[in-house]
Amino acid sequence: AQSVAQPEDQVKVAEGNPLTVKCTYSVSGNPYLFWYVQYPNRGLQFLLKYITGDNLVKGSYGFEAEFNKSQTSFHLKKPSALVSDSALYFCAVRDMKGAGNNRKLIWGLGTSLAVNP
Amino acid sequence: ETGVTQTPRHLVMGMTNKKSLKCEQHLGHNAMYWYKQSAKKPLELMFVYSLEERVENNSVPSRFSPECPNSSHLFLHLHTLQPEDSALYLCASSQVHADTQYFGPGTRLTVL
Repeated sequence: AQSVAQPEDQVKVAEGNPLTVKCTYSVSGNPYLFWYVQYPNRGLQFLLKYITGDNLVKGSYGFEAEFNKSQTSFHLKKPSALVSDSALYFCAVRDMKGAGNNRKLIWGLGTSLAVNP
Repeated sequence: ETGVTQTPRHLVMGMTNKKSLKCEQHLGHNAMYWYKQSAKKPLELMFVYSLEERVENNSVPSRFSPECPNSSHLFLHLHTLQPEDSALYLCASSQVHADTQYFGPGTRLTVL
């Protein structure tokens, strides 16, 4: 079965330090992987995605993620965290069964990132 | 975030009320989605409309009734809800066959 795991409920880092938010997945076939961010009282905002090609994907707000096929991981990273990065981060994988919009996104439970000044 | 708007942002209703949630997208997309977000649970896909036709209904109770009058508007009609239906309801849109979805800010629903 397709699944996504975000093993950490919460990540805390100091401002200016590098951050990593972890995501592992289980899919049949080649995965389409996504990261979204949710700020308080807001909807989800798309950060970045991996479809194919270069394993290092760069996205919005200075975030990047590395696709690692052997470890089935897609960790989100940023070299220097900002207090404004504090939010809820969701990893998702595309279920490649079916066609078009029948291919659902399977979501992780989310990781709360707290960046301390 | 202004690409997808949702109204109202907050809604409190009794179990016998009838209300509707509205979503509008200004991105020229032709697929729209309703999700339910509850604490400690993965995001739940409720309904998918593609080119104004419903293509997905994930065993959602009949007390939730979607409507998509055109590619820019999506409604979720609510009646006889239960307290466990209290959640954040998110609308999203995308191009058909595209992989990236764009979300609205959500409606925080409380059922008393």
